[in-house]
Amino acid sequence: EAGVAQSPRYKIIEKRQSVAFWCNPISGHATLYWYQQILGQGPKLLIQFQNNGVVDDSQLPKDRFSAERLKGVDSTLKIQPAKLEDSAVYLCASSLDGQGRNGNQPQHFGDGTRLSIL
Amino acid sequence: QQQVKQSPQSLIVQKGGISIINCAYENTAFDYFPWYQQFPGKGPALLIAIRPDVSEKKEGRFTISFNKSAKQFSLHIMDSQPGDSATYFCAGKPSGSARQLTFGSGTQLTVLP
Repeated sequence: EAGVAQSPRYKIIEKRQSVAFWCNPISGHATLYWYQQILGQGPKLLIQFQNNGVVDDSQLPKDRFSAERLKGVDSTLKIQPAKLEDSAVYLCASSLDGQGRNGNQPQHFGDGTRLSIL
Repeated sequence: QQQVKQSPQSLIVQKGGISIINCAYENTAFDYFPWYQQFPGKGPALLIAIRPDVSEKKEGRFTISFNKSAKQFSLHIMDSQPGDSATYFCAGKPSGSARQLTFGSGTQLTVLP
């Protein structure tokens, strides 16, 4: 099966500019996640969608970050305006069904978008 | 705050040796503990996972040992190979589908040929 697709792979912008990332999950996967991975750290969840509804966005900096998954498939993550500390890899992941037998369906990650803020 | 503490930060092992990575967690509500493997420029990939009702799980050369009373778990890679060189992340998650996965800080493993 095709994996999680993300684009672009790399993005360089200046601080205070805006940027958007796109994710296409594995076909049929109901749950979609956006993570931020700062160099030398583990991924940190930003937002979790179940179909097109938000399940958890408690760690999303809502003053500058936004995400949507309008049709329950593709998703976009936007940063506006970007700050220097937003330099990171943004990972998208999907899982078959977050409502699985014990909620522990494996998460499949894309290769991420590496964002550099100048 | 939920935390998963991982050590060591980096590990160098000779080919054929055993690699051991340790993690400790604080949240007793965690009931799912996966390990992810990440190669440079790639996303993390699930390697092996365990639930706290078992003390050990083995898949090929990879074994998770789990100590519920100590709130610790570890990954053992037997007969380590240069192809195992990657960053490894442990994680924990409370029960329930809407609960988030909390990752450790990662261990960069280098297996020398």
